[in-house]
Amino acid sequence: NAGVTQTPKFQVLKTGQSMTLQCAQDMNHNSMYWYRQDPGMGLRLIYYSASEGTTDKGEVPNGYNVSRLNKREFSLRLESAAPSQTSVYFCASSEAWTGNTEAFFGQGTRLTVV
Amino acid sequence: RKEVEQDPGPFNVPEGATVAFNCTYSNSASQSFFWYRQDCRKEPKLLMSVYSSGNEDGRFTAQLNRASQYISLLIRDSKLSDSATYLCVVKDGNYQLIWGAGTKLIIKP
Repeated sequence: NAGVTQTPKFQVLKTGQSMTLQCAQDMNHNSMYWYRQDPGMGLRLIYYSASEGTTDKGEVPNGYNVSRLNKREFSLRLESAAPSQTSVYFCASSEAWTGNTEAFFGQGTRLTVV
Repeated sequence: RKEVEQDPGPFNVPEGATVAFNCTYSNSASQSFFWYRQDCRKEPKLLMSVYSSGNEDGRFTAQLNRASQYISLLIRDSKLSDSATYLCVVKDGNYQLIWGAGTKLIIKP
């Protein structure tokens, strides 16, 4: 069972470069999320998609854009990378936005911006 | 003040011991509560949900105290494989998951 698959696993960017992180889930989940995880801090929500066709800003959306391409796929784009965006990025999905539903995570992308 | 606070640890505990840690949350309108486990350089995975009456899953017991706004996790008969970071997660009134920074647990042989 693949679950949530995100690519790439590692990436080094130069300041100002752009890139897209890809995420796909095969669990027929309605909701998908992008988080970043920094040392000493909890996961912080960048953007989420409560259902196919909708996207909303989370706690730290500046410098990012997202696309919910279809029910399975949710991509995160950095238009002009900055060193402050060095982090570990996790994509996640859950059956629904509301309720007591479990979030399933991809393996993470370790991004370094130099 | 952080919305969800945890002692970062590390908690160094001998194998077979019992260990407990708490997590406090600031939003009294919080609806749902969870413990996730995260191994080093891996993704978080759900350990257990926390119910109002408290719940147990094998060696793990979770408790919720709404009056004092904290949740707890108790691990009995700890195993080497329990070494991980334990993340406290609270779903707020807007359905967003608010994550603690985690408590690192190291089980020693």
